Amino acid sequence: QLQLQESGPGLVKPSETLSLTCIVSGGSISGSGYYWGWIRQPPGKGLEWSGSVSYSGSTYYNPSLTSRVTISLDASKNQFSLKLTSVTAADTAVYYCARHEYPPGRGYDCYDYWGQGTLVTVSS
Amino acid sequence: DIQMTQSPSSLSASVGDRVTITCRASQSISSYLNWYQHKPGRAPKLLIYRASRLQSGVPSRFSGSGSGTDFTLTIRSLQPEDFATYSCQQSYSTLPTFGPGTKVDIK
Repeated sequence: QLQLQESGPGLVKPSETLSLTCIVSGGSISGSGYYWGWIRQPPGKGLEWSGSVSYSGSTYYNPSLTSRVTISLDASKNQFSLKLTSVTAADTAVYYCARHEYPPGRGYDCYDYWGQGTLVTVSS
Repeated sequence: DIQMTQSPSSLSASVGDRVTITCRASQSISSYLNWYQHKPGRAPKLLIYRASRLQSGVPSRFSGSGSGTDFTLTIRSLQPEDFATYSCQQSYSTLPTFGPGTKVDIK
C-alpha cells in the first residue's frame, strides 16, 4: 500500500524559506511513471495546487507561485520536496503531498494517494 | 484560471439521508472532474474521477454525474463515516483548481 508522509517545520518566519519533504513508502517514485504534487489549503479556504514533479524530474508550477517555488525529487531517498521562498502570512496552510498519474492539463488526471497533511504557520 | 464553485457550502443531514452536492466550472471542462472527501488530520480520499467513475474501494453509495460545466456528487444513504468535507477538482487545464468544499455534518 502506497503511503505518503509530509515532514518539515510547523513554523516559519516571514521572508524566510518554507521547506517540506514528502517521504514515499510502498512504491518507487522514480521508476513508477507517476507525478508527485504539493497541494495546500489555507485556513477557511479551498485546496490549491502548488506544483508537481514527474518521475523523471520535470516540474510544473502554479503560475501564482512560479517565482518562489521549487519542487524536486530525491530518488535515492524515495522522497520529494517543496521549497517556497519569501513566505508571508498568506502562505500559512495545511500542505499535502499527493500522487497523480499524468502531467497537469492531461484531462483525465486525479490525485489518488495523499499524505495526511502538515500545518505550516508563517509568523514571527 | 478555471473557477470552481460548490453548493451548498455546508449542509446538515441524518444517517440514511440522500445527499446531493453540486459543483460548477466557470467554463466547460468536459468530464474532467474529480471528487474528494477530506477529514481533519486525515489524508484526503479520491472518491470519483472523470465525473462518474468510482475509485476502487469506494462504497457504491457514492456516485457522480455531469459534464461540461455542471456536476453532482450523490451519497445515496449517508453513513456515520461520511460526515466530512467534499471538494471537486477540475483536471481539464494545466492549472488544476479545486472547489471551496462542502461540509456535511450531523443534523
